[in-house]
Amino acid sequence: AQTVTQSQPEMSVQEAETVTLSCTYDTSESDYYLFWYKQPPSRQMILVIRQEAYKQQNATENRFSVNFQKAAKSFSLKISDSQLGDAAMYFCAYNGMNSGYSTLTFGKGTMLLVSP
Amino acid sequence: DVKVTQSSRYLVKRTGEKVFLECVQDMDHENMFWYRQDPGLGLRLIYFSYDVKMKEKGDIPEGYSVSREKKERFSLILESASTNQTSMYLCASSFQGEAFFGQGTRLTVV
Repeated sequence: AQTVTQSQPEMSVQEAETVTLSCTYDTSESDYYLFWYKQPPSRQMILVIRQEAYKQQNATENRFSVNFQKAAKSFSLKISDSQLGDAAMYFCAYNGMNSGYSTLTFGKGTMLLVSP
Repeated sequence: DVKVTQSSRYLVKRTGEKVFLECVQDMDHENMFWYRQDPGLGLRLIYFSYDVKMKEKGDIPEGYSVSREKKERFSLILESASTNQTSMYLCASSFQGEAFFGQGTRLTVV
């Protein structure tokens, strides 16, 4: 079974600074998807960024980028120029492409606090 | 945009009641899921469905059942609610690995 580990229960950053959230995963599959989701106080889960394992290039979405290290099974999220609206719970998630059924496995989450 | 709608945002039920949580998606996705979210535990998969009338147990199916009579609707059933089922419940559908979530139902069992 796949597992996803987020070792930082909580992180803090000041506005305009950069923060990196860590995620590692364990899998025997070669093809898979990785995701970062954001859950603000409204509770609505929002996709931040996705990465296909076969792509060597790290995904980027505006101020959000990932550092995908396939051999190390590491998938960290970097938030640049942090804003107050970035404060939320962030979940790392894995989905195998070769699984008989497509299910997402989530980490336990990292709460990001942003201070003025 | 994909829309996943859960029937209730907040629910309060009594111990022993039969509880139905409804979820509807409008994008013709085949896969649908029910997760439970608890502080410090992240999201845990209860049940999922990959087609109409098909269902598979997730990691924590005990005390729950599901129904999928139509492609767009996936219901979670608590046969006899207990206080340890007080939690946030999230429904999702997925396409190409990506999950699309409803707004969540916060269920309190008293």
